[in-house]
Amino acid sequence: EVQLVESGGGLIQPGGSLRLSCAASGFTVSSNYMSWVRQAPGKGLEWVSVIYSGGSTYYADSVKGRFTISRDNSKNTLYLQMNTLRVEDTAVYYCAREVAVAGMLRGMDVWGQGTTVTVSS
Amino acid sequence: QLVLTQSPSASASLGASVKLTCTLSSGHSGYAIAWHQQQPEKGPRYLMNLNSDGSHSKGDGIPDRFSGSSSGAERYLTISSLQSEDEADYYCQTWGTGIRVFGGGTKLTVL
Repeated sequence: EVQLVESGGGLIQPGGSLRLSCAASGFTVSSNYMSWVRQAPGKGLEWVSVIYSGGSTYYADSVKGRFTISRDNSKNTLYLQMNTLRVEDTAVYYCAREVAVAGMLRGMDVWGQGTTVTVSS
Repeated sequence: QLVLTQSPSASASLGASVKLTCTLSSGHSGYAIAWHQQQPEKGPRYLMNLNSDGSHSKGDGIPDRFSGSSSGAERYLTISSLQSEDEADYYCQTWGTGIRVFGGGTKLTVL
């Protein structure tokens, strides 16, 4: 079964750091584009970061320079290292697989259940 | 700038049909999108990919009641024979090199 399971969320003070994990099963993380998406309380979905199968990484302007996306191929796991956290980073964080057919992206076809990050003093 | 615009809310009666709209920003009318559904207190669920020519491919297990179509910069999601479990938020999403964009979402109420 294709599945993503996030972990690592919690309550953290402003300025602190947290690392989120996303364990994949049923497919290989390194063979796919993988994204992190967040949803602040009562708000819509906001893309955070993507890592391409070739290793290139990209970030939303709101997190650039503070967040780092990475993967561990041996553990088939995606990560999001979040530094210098702000109150406005409070959200449920989802990881998602991006599906491609014949080299053409078709969107995020597998989503995790999410992990909650609360930044508060 | 790549932007997706959705109406904040829509409503339709049980058993009826509804058509949700997602509009691509100027200069991006050729982009494909994806539609996602988020039921209350749940994570997002992929519904389908939708191309500029209206061709679409649905995710695993998505009922035939869900279909997509396109016209110019508009991308549509049509849900027929509405059921109570279709009451949810619906997001369109697109992509470019190094960027992913979500629309603001449409909250669908089934009356």
